Amino acid sequence: DAEITQSPRHKITETGRQVTLACHQTWNHNNMFWYRQDLGHGLRLIHYSYGVQDTNKGEVSDGYSVSRSNTEDLPLTLESAASSQTSVYFCASSDRGHEQYFGPGTRLTVT
Amino acid sequence: GQNIDQPTEMTATEGAIVQINCTYQTSGFNGLFWYQQHAGEAPTFLSYNVLDGLEEKGRFSSFLSRSKGYSYLLLKELQMKDSASYLCAVRSVNSGAGSYQLTFGKGTKLSVIP
Repeated sequence: DAEITQSPRHKITETGRQVTLACHQTWNHNNMFWYRQDLGHGLRLIHYSYGVQDTNKGEVSDGYSVSRSNTEDLPLTLESAASSQTSVYFCASSDRGHEQYFGPGTRLTVT
Repeated sequence: GQNIDQPTEMTATEGAIVQINCTYQTSGFNGLFWYQQHAGEAPTFLSYNVLDGLEEKGRFSSFLSRSKGYSYLLLKELQMKDSASYLCAVRSVNSGAGSYQLTFGKGTKLSVIP
């Protein structure tokens, strides 16, 4: 069965370190998205991609970057982790315009 | 920009019917989605409306009025497992770029009590 996975599921890191969160989907979807979810804010879009070599900034992109070298993967990098980036991160994918399928999430704590 | 409002919390009794409302203000509206999210889990797709009217899917129905910027999710015959957050999300299209984005409301936490 097709699926979307994220790793790690839990991560604790220190302020200033670079962190990469992985997202892998086997749906063969062109569209992939990264969100963060915080109490009181709901899901907010960080970056998104509509295909290989395509990346776009979302609502809260400062301090984050993504790259898309193949259809299956969209890793999210925190260049220099900050305490404000403590959150739950969800990756999602979709076929053009259709519903998004979400990964299980990564809980990131920056100390 | 996008603005989506839904109640923060609701409580309903097992076996009853509950309606969760969502109002939105957006440019380039191209559809409205409802997702269910159990605590500690990922959101899962429930329903989609792009035209005015009611879409029914078993115990769950969703309604859309584009002229009023309003949608609701109706849950019938409530079960304890329906206790979750329900997220309203509006899809907008950037016609110039041919791209779609989802903007989520903050979610409504529904508690089903015996």
